Amino acid sequence: EADIYQTPRYLVIGTGKKITLECSQTMGHDKMYWYQQDPGMELHLIHYSYGVNSTEKGDLSSESTVSRIRTEHFPLTLESARPSHTSQYLCASSEGGFTEAFFGQGTRLTVV
Amino acid sequence: RKEVEQDPGPFNVPEGATVAFNCTYSNSASQSFFWYRQDCRKEPKLLMSVYSSGNEDGRFTAQLNRASQYISLLIRDSKLSDSATYLCVVPRDDKIIFGKGTRLHILP
Repeated sequence: EADIYQTPRYLVIGTGKKITLECSQTMGHDKMYWYQQDPGMELHLIHYSYGVNSTEKGDLSSESTVSRIRTEHFPLTLESARPSHTSQYLCASSEGGFTEAFFGQGTRLTVV
Repeated sequence: RKEVEQDPGPFNVPEGATVAFNCTYSNSASQSFFWYRQDCRKEPKLLMSVYSSGNEDGRFTAQLNRASQYISLLIRDSKLSDSATYLCVVPRDDKIIFGKGTRLHILP
């Protein structure tokens, strides 16, 4: 079993609220990723990190921001949630870009 | 040409049949490739890695054709539990890029 955890699993929140989705891994992986996936649709990379203090935007533009202060922790923040942010957010980590990525169970976000 | 392209399906296949689907990639420098499986409303999980010409694991065989820049996944003696979306992954510049996935439905 992969040691990567996301909280909360489900979140329903009102428009305009600030939210932080947590992602932690205990495998010591340098590389971490955030993907956004709508039901039945493809995974889109929105943020990634090569290590501490490294963050990059992915291929899909996102209004969210990320930080990487510790190796094991890669939180994603939305300053002002909107209904268009409703989606599933999946966090992953890997030893390197050419090795297996391990996924958390995801956070299903609904903004009402 | 998109970086990673897959036939979205769905493939509706009777139980026990053999099914194969392809994934084409654009970056000729890619060295490693992966097939992931994603069940409905779950996270993706690694099915197979492909580093050289191919890989086999039980009923599953993955093959790599570098000249034509595609990888394939073959499932023999398909089971109902094989119903899922199969995602092709081609790493690029240390980023892990997923294809759109191929949906497979195994029919009883």
